Amino acid sequence: QKEVEQDPGPLSVPEGAIVSLNCTYSNSAFQYFMWYRQYSRKGPELLMYTYSSGNKEDGRFTAQVDKSSKYISLFIRDSQPSDSATYLCAMSGENYGQNFVFGPGTRLSVLP
Amino acid sequence: ETGVTQTPRHLVMGMTNKKSLKCEQHLGHNAMYWYKQSAKKPLELMFVYNFKEQTENNSVPSRFSPECPNSSHLFLHLHTLQPEDSALYLCASSQDGGRVTGANVLTFGAGSRLTVL
Repeated sequence: QKEVEQDPGPLSVPEGAIVSLNCTYSNSAFQYFMWYRQYSRKGPELLMYTYSSGNKEDGRFTAQVDKSSKYISLFIRDSQPSDSATYLCAMSGENYGQNFVFGPGTRLSVLP
Repeated sequence: ETGVTQTPRHLVMGMTNKKSLKCEQHLGHNAMYWYKQSAKKPLELMFVYNFKEQTENNSVPSRFSPECPNSSHLFLHLHTLQPEDSALYLCASSQDGGRVTGANVLTFGAGSRLTVL
């Protein structure tokens, strides 16, 4: 079983749709959960950071963590063509290093 | 210049060549990282430097040789690479290589796209 699983997509949605991106993981030691966005020919940029279980909202983006199910989600409301990118989930134990892992990414296209 | 800068952005090399990738961060961070990104695979951590000391070497083949002369600069020296080493090599930095917090997050460069013929 892979440590972090993420549907690679591609996922295509019309502009204005609500997008749901998800990751599942197997390591119960993970405490920190992040979502990175990577545009074509760019490096990943941090979008959302959460600690432990719960929800966090930032504008059109909401991150949810369910540690009991080992499942995290990113919701994008009122999606825009500028949201078209690859979304990487990442998670970690307390410290950086080999215990900081990424999912393979989901490619999202928002069509005008 | 701001953030994390990587050069060159694209590199094509033969299997017998020697080349280097360069990373510079302008964020005042103390930890720097090399990651390998291959198509449809998760980012793979290669090396970590914390306050100029190498703290992680994730079983990377010796044909990849990192160098960190100071906290702002990181190099990846390449020699006798294989075609399967073709990938996007990403440099990242963080305030330090310790605890993951909202204030101590990874900032990535745009990457160096390497093609090995």
